[in-house]
Amino acid sequence: NAGVMQNPRHLVRRRGQEARLRCSPMKGHSHVYWYRQLPEEGLKFMVYLQKENIIDESGMPKERFSAEFPKEGPSILRIQQVVRGDSAAYFCASSPDVTTQYFGPGTRLLVL
Amino acid sequence: DQQVKQNSPSLSVQEGRISILNCDYTNSMFDYFLWYKKYPAEGPTFLISISSIKDKNEDGRFTVFLNKSAKHLSLHIVPSQPGDSAVYFCAASESGYALNFGKGTSLLVTP
Repeated sequence: NAGVMQNPRHLVRRRGQEARLRCSPMKGHSHVYWYRQLPEEGLKFMVYLQKENIIDESGMPKERFSAEFPKEGPSILRIQQVVRGDSAAYFCASSPDVTTQYFGPGTRLLVL
Repeated sequence: DQQVKQNSPSLSVQEGRISILNCDYTNSMFDYFLWYKKYPAEGPTFLISISSIKDKNEDGRFTVFLNKSAKHLSLHIVPSQPGDSAVYFCAASESGYALNFGKGTSLLVTP
C-alpha cells in the first residue's frame, strides 16, 4: 500500500507566480489535511478536506490560498501571486477517518 | 500562540540507554496526543498515540505517558538505537483532526 504521495518535491517560483501542490492520499483514505512548516518551527494546520468538501480551512490565509479535493484526482493546494514569505515546506496528510494522520514527504517551496 | 511546547530543542543519549522526550500543552480541551518522528527532507512518520482516557500506551520500544493534571506527556524509547536519531514532534488535537505541533526535539543517539 503506497503511502501519501506529494509532488513536486521541490518547487521554485518567482514572486507573483502561482504555485500548485498536489497530494494523493493513501488508498482507502478519504480525509486529507494540509500543513505548513516554516524553518525552525513545528507544522501548522492549514485545511482539512474530504472528497469535494472543505471541512475546516481555519488555518489557511484568507487571500491567495485555496485548496480542493475533487471527486477524482489528487488534492490541490494552490497559492496565487506567491511572496517570499510563502517559502516553506508544505505537508499533506491523510487518514481513513478522523484518527491518526499519515504524512507525505512534503513539497519544499522556494520563492525567489 | 504555541499551545504545544517542546522545551528541549535537542537531546543526546548513548546507545542502549533510555531516551525521554518531553512535551507540555496549555489547552485542556486536547483529547488526543501523538508523537511523530522526522528525518531531514522527509515527512513526519507516525510513532505512537494516546487518548486522554488513558495515561500510558506502549508499542515495542516506545511508551507514551500522559499526565493530564500537569498537561504533560513524554515519550520513552528504550533501548535507544542509532537509527532513532531524528527530530521528534509532539502533536495534540481537540477536534480530532487539526493537529497542533510542538517545534520538535532533535534526538541524537551515539554509539
